Amino acid sequence: DIQMTQSPSSLSASVGDRVTITCQASQDVNTYLNWYQQKPGKAPQVLIYEAANLETGVPSRFSGSGSGTDYSFTISSLQPEDIGTYYCQQYEDLPITFGQGTRLEIK
Amino acid sequence: QVTLRESGPALVKPTQTLILTCDFSGFSLTTSGICINWIRQPPGKALEWLARIDWDDDKYYTSSLKTRLTISKDTSQNQVVLTMTNVDPVDTATYFCARQLTTVTKFDYWGPGTLVTVSS
Repeated sequence: DIQMTQSPSSLSASVGDRVTITCQASQDVNTYLNWYQQKPGKAPQVLIYEAANLETGVPSRFSGSGSGTDYSFTISSLQPEDIGTYYCQQYEDLPITFGQGTRLEIK
Repeated sequence: QVTLRESGPALVKPTQTLILTCDFSGFSLTTSGICINWIRQPPGKALEWLARIDWDDDKYYTSSLKTRLTISKDTSQNQVVLTMTNVDPVDTATYFCARQLTTVTKFDYWGPGTLVTVSS
């Protein structure tokens, strides 16, 4: 199975800050890497798919990049509604695996 | 409008069989390139992918649970069913179903999830 190591596990930042989360795969996932946001008590929602593609309707302050085994997710200017937990997910190979999540809070 | 909704028992006893249903609308599982995935999330923990069924009835399972899981579909009822045998308290989780188009890797629509507690 491909292991996904996400960091940090939690993050506290101020409104307007630039926030970056990283995800490292145990092997090359060929940009088959998606990012999801999950709010408490809700299902995850895809924000970025295949490393750098912004999902329709998602604000442009969210972005993703990376290749091979190393990927990052960035919020360019943190907004209050961005609180939640963020997960990376690889789909290069089955079984699909997720990172352990990054809990984002506002300072 | 695409919607999915999971249903099943809120409480099951250890060793019993859990049957979860995903009812969906707004698309057909007879359409080429569509599949349904099951994912679970223990309380306070990360997401875990469990299984997938494709429009052509191909099925895939996570290796650690493969002997306990069965996924099936009823296209006339727009339903996907996940069966898990011999449940244990560690199977306590919120179970989600999610749609995927096989041409892309993202799960584009999710159900709200259903919480299943395994306890005697």
